[in-house]
Amino acid sequence: IAGITQAPTSQILAAGRRMTLRCTQDMRHNAMYWYRQDLGLGLRLIHYSNTAGTTGKGEVPDGYSVSRANTDDFPLTLASAVPSQTSVYFCASSDSRGAGTDTQYFGPGTRLTVL
Amino acid sequence: GQNIDQPTEMTATEGAIVQINCTYQTSGFNGLFWYQQHAGEAPTFLSYNVLDGLEEKGRFSSFLSRSKGYSYLLLKELQMKDSASYLCAVLDSNYQLIWGAGTKLIIKP
Repeated sequence: IAGITQAPTSQILAAGRRMTLRCTQDMRHNAMYWYRQDLGLGLRLIHYSNTAGTTGKGEVPDGYSVSRANTDDFPLTLASAVPSQTSVYFCASSDSRGAGTDTQYFGPGTRLTVL
Repeated sequence: GQNIDQPTEMTATEGAIVQINCTYQTSGFNGLFWYQQHAGEAPTFLSYNVLDGLEEKGRFSSFLSRSKGYSYLLLKELQMKDSASYLCAVLDSNYQLIWGAGTKLIIKP
């Protein structure tokens, strides 16, 4: 693995179903993030984690949950998917949050369609 | 509220120079980033400015004026592969990145 990987690449999901988007990084970055990207809008932060064992809410957290059991993995769960959650989801990581340049590096994204 | 403004779309000619502007109003400022995003791909880091002035990196340069809440990305000697969206993002006082909607740059031969 090099950088950040996300799975699945794309998914079509029935409304009401539970779904977990996976994200793994091998850069030993402390901070990780989940964004959604919708046409005409900027990237919007869903949840973040400053370090393993801690998580925080971003701009649009409703309907999503995350966990950070270790440094490498940061899964995003939709408990009961709704059509408004149709989007492209990006996972990102940075060496630190709140210090230095805080440059974020992104995974390839997951395209999710909720019908 | 927090706001990042950049043009929705720009068109330029191969070999030419283009300037993409970004204005921002945020709660605090801890730096400004530019990212490139090709269609269907992830954003990739281009530049970071925290002090006023111009940062040059090959064909790409980024300028910042904190007093004016303004930045631009300058792309020289445009190539077809530069066709992409360019995202401006500001690190606010909580060290959260606030993103603009992006500028789609179309390069014509």
